[in-house]
Amino acid sequence: NAGVTQTPEFQVLKTGQSMTLQCAQDMNHEYMSWYRQDPGMGLRLIHYSVGAGITDQGEVPNGYNVSRSTTEDFPLRLLSAAPSQTSVYFCASQAPGDTEAFFGQGTRLTVV
Amino acid sequence: AQSVTQLGSHVSVSEGALVLLRCNYSSSVPPYLFWYVQYPNQGLQLLLKYTSAATLVKGINGFEAEFKKSETSFHLTKPSAHMSDAAEYFCAVSGGGYQKVTFGTGTKLQVIP
Repeated sequence: NAGVTQTPEFQVLKTGQSMTLQCAQDMNHEYMSWYRQDPGMGLRLIHYSVGAGITDQGEVPNGYNVSRSTTEDFPLRLLSAAPSQTSVYFCASQAPGDTEAFFGQGTRLTVV
Repeated sequence: AQSVTQLGSHVSVSEGALVLLRCNYSSSVPPYLFWYVQYPNQGLQLLLKYTSAATLVKGINGFEAEFKKSETSFHLTKPSAHMSDAAEYFCAVSGGGYQKVTFGTGTKLQVIP
């Protein structure tokens, strides 16, 4: 069982560069989300999607774009990387109801 | 609106001692509550969840948590700490369905031999 797969695992970007963090799940979950994890701040929701073609902003959406063309994939795009976006990014998927969120292994991003 | 407060960003216990990690929540709807564990350089793994059934919830690795509505608490406990329990623990709250999950800031548990 692959679950939630994130790529890449590590990435270093220069300020101003753009990139896409990939997330794929094979559990047919409708709900997917992106979080960033920073020391002392826990996980903060960036964007989420309740199904293909539907996305919405979370707590800290600025500087990030998402799209959801299929149930399986939910990529996160950094438009113009800034040092403040240095963080660990987690993708999660969830079935409806009182179910748990399943997390990927994370992408560790450094912006220099 | 919903929120989670975890008291204590760092907790140290001796091996074999009781583990108690505190979590208080706020929710405008009946909450679903979760505890997740994160080992270094890994994603989050579900320990246990409360979904309005039994108030005492048992999870993996010997952990359990009790939902106390009157205290708006969902503290995590384990009778006897093991070295392998050293990790960061996150409490989370959701309104259920496709409601967003809100996480606490985490508590790092150190187990001293």
